[in-house]
Amino acid sequence: GAVVSQHPSWVICKSGTSVKIECRSLDFQATTMFWYRQFPKQSLMLMATSNEGSKATYEQGVEKDKFLINHASLTLSTLTVTSAHPEDSSFYICSARAETLETQYFGPGTRLLVL
Amino acid sequence: GENVEQHPSTLSVQEGDSAVIKCTYSDSASNYFPWYKQELGKRPQLIIDIRSNVGEKKDQRIAVTLNKTAKHFSLHITETQPEDSAVYFCAATALWGYNKLIFGAGTRLAVHP
Repeated sequence: GAVVSQHPSWVICKSGTSVKIECRSLDFQATTMFWYRQFPKQSLMLMATSNEGSKATYEQGVEKDKFLINHASLTLSTLTVTSAHPEDSSFYICSARAETLETQYFGPGTRLLVL
Repeated sequence: GENVEQHPSTLSVQEGDSAVIKCTYSDSASNYFPWYKQELGKRPQLIIDIRSNVGEKKDQRIAVTLNKTAKHFSLHITETQPEDSAVYFCAATALWGYNKLIFGAGTRLAVHP
């Protein structure tokens, strides 16, 4: 149980385009989903927290107009990187938590490369 | 703001030895402390966790200890094996509100045969 999927697993795009990443909880209802960014050999940096049906809460320094987050249902959250630039290249990981559980379960991550 | 410090950043041990990773948290409201293992290019996986009303928890070769007064918690791996080689992250959170995890910087553990 507690499986979280992410799609796509990797994506290459041109500078200036937008990329959407999906995060799904497959066998539980995720009242809260989290989006992280991880640079090579570094820790996970929380970008934003999203609750189903409400606006995401962004961490300080994260541009909400650049990283659009939508948590439309209890099993799906999406992160859209708008007008991507090479510096947005990174490993993006989502996690999900059910209301009754304390543990966050992570997706497999999406590796984004912006050319 | 909240902060979690983790030491050491790298740890090299011989197979069969024990490994200890230590973390310190700043937010006294934190009451849940998970440990994650991340292999190269993969997702972080929960290996053990502890709540603030417990001082120690053990699961086979892995144990976690918590000292609330000092705001310290540690991961202990006994009888290490090469497959234990990975990056280990500690984290802390308060189990209310958004349950935001604050991660340590990670420890790269290498177990040599």
